[in-house]
Amino acid sequence: AQSVTQLGSHVSVSEGALVLLRCNYSSSVPPYLFWYVQYPNQGLQLLLKYTTGATLVKGINGFEAEFKKSETSFHLTKPSAHMSDAAEYFCAVREATDSWGKLQFGAGTQVVVTP
Amino acid sequence: GAVVSQHPSWVICKSGTSVKIECRSLDFQATTMFWYRQFPKQSLMLMATSNEGSKATYEQGVEKDKFLINHASLTLSTLTVTSAHPEDSSFYICSAGTGGSNQPQHFGDGTRLSIL
Repeated sequence: AQSVTQLGSHVSVSEGALVLLRCNYSSSVPPYLFWYVQYPNQGLQLLLKYTTGATLVKGINGFEAEFKKSETSFHLTKPSAHMSDAAEYFCAVREATDSWGKLQFGAGTQVVVTP
Repeated sequence: GAVVSQHPSWVICKSGTSVKIECRSLDFQATTMFWYRQFPKQSLMLMATSNEGSKATYEQGVEKDKFLINHASLTLSTLTVTSAHPEDSSFYICSAGTGGSNQPQHFGDGTRLSIL
């Protein structure tokens, strides 16, 4: 069975400051990992994903994440926060052997950006 | 690319009526579609997985007679909430996948369902 833990349900950052959102997973087999962003009353937009290869993954809007197998982590970062980054962020994991591609989501982290 | 359209975006109806929500993949063929329910300030809860031309697979605790899912083509899946009651009020989101576990799901913009 797999699970996803996002540390911190609520994160407040100053505009221009580093954004760090933490995600840890547990999985019996190597997983595929995803970060999604959700704006109010909207669906989810893919920020980035890790499947195989380079463990540092770059995504849209200046976000990146690093897969660390030894730490079972996939933390999301952005060097400089922008007001438009205020949203809900979800980490998700999928077992590589799941042919249907079902996702397991974390509880989400609400990001607030202050001027 | 990979656009998923969900309709309607907002619906308000009386208790006891049935509501149909459509999920369409506009520029790709969706082998698998997923339906989620999201309560305020919470994560997404998977309700069911549907593959084109076959019956949907429901998650534990989801009433299949209450939430009817049809995936008639590679570009369309529908969720019908039958005899809806106020406790069915929620945000429903669909997603579509092109197949392959390493491919991301693409999400619709969700449907806000309010039952009076």
